[in-house]
Amino acid sequence: ETGVTQSPTHLIKTRGQQVTLRCSSQSGHNTVSWYQQALGQGPQFIFQYYREEENGRGNFPPRFSGLQFPNYSSELNVNALELDDSALYLCASSSISSGANVLTFGAGSRLTVL
Amino acid sequence: RKEVEQDPGPFNVPEGATVAFNCTYSNSASQSFFWYRQDCRKEPKLLMSVYSSGNEDGRFTAQLNRASQYISLLIRDSKLSDSATYLCVVNPPMNYGGATNKLIFGTGTLLAVQP
Repeated sequence: ETGVTQSPTHLIKTRGQQVTLRCSSQSGHNTVSWYQQALGQGPQFIFQYYREEENGRGNFPPRFSGLQFPNYSSELNVNALELDDSALYLCASSSISSGANVLTFGAGSRLTVL
Repeated sequence: RKEVEQDPGPFNVPEGATVAFNCTYSNSASQSFFWYRQDCRKEPKLLMSVYSSGNEDGRFTAQLNRASQYISLLIRDSKLSDSATYLCVVNPPMNYGGATNKLIFGTGTLLAVQP
């Protein structure tokens, strides 16, 4: 059984640029959620995808958007990057059928915005 | 008030010590409760779920007090390998737009077990 994989692991962008982060969910998991973890903070929920649709969103502006594909993999897109977007972005997958709120996290993508 | 509040830490304890972490949550309708462990520069991993009756997993004991909206984690006989950040996590009511995976994390408490 493969776990959750994310890419890239590290990246550096400048203010105003756009970034796409990718996530492959764990085998058998059909729900993907994204979290942002700033330094010294706990992860904060960005949004969740189920059946290729967003079905829940945290307190993040519209420039944070996402996609889920038929194979349950997912992308997080952030437009017009700001310095405060520097953080570890975590993807988590789960299965609606077996305890949806028990999450398996990927190792994360560490974004630095200069 | 933060939705989930934890002891600020860090906790520096000797090997073999017993250490307790506390956490309070603001939404009385919260449904599920967890402790996650996060090693330095790694992803969070589920340590254990927390049930109203209390539950134990080896050296780890979790307690939930719904009346006081309080969650605790007790670690007995601390090992060097227990050094990590412990995150208190709450799952809010399901009416949050159907987002079953919207977990609310505390800021975490850093535990450093000393030899």
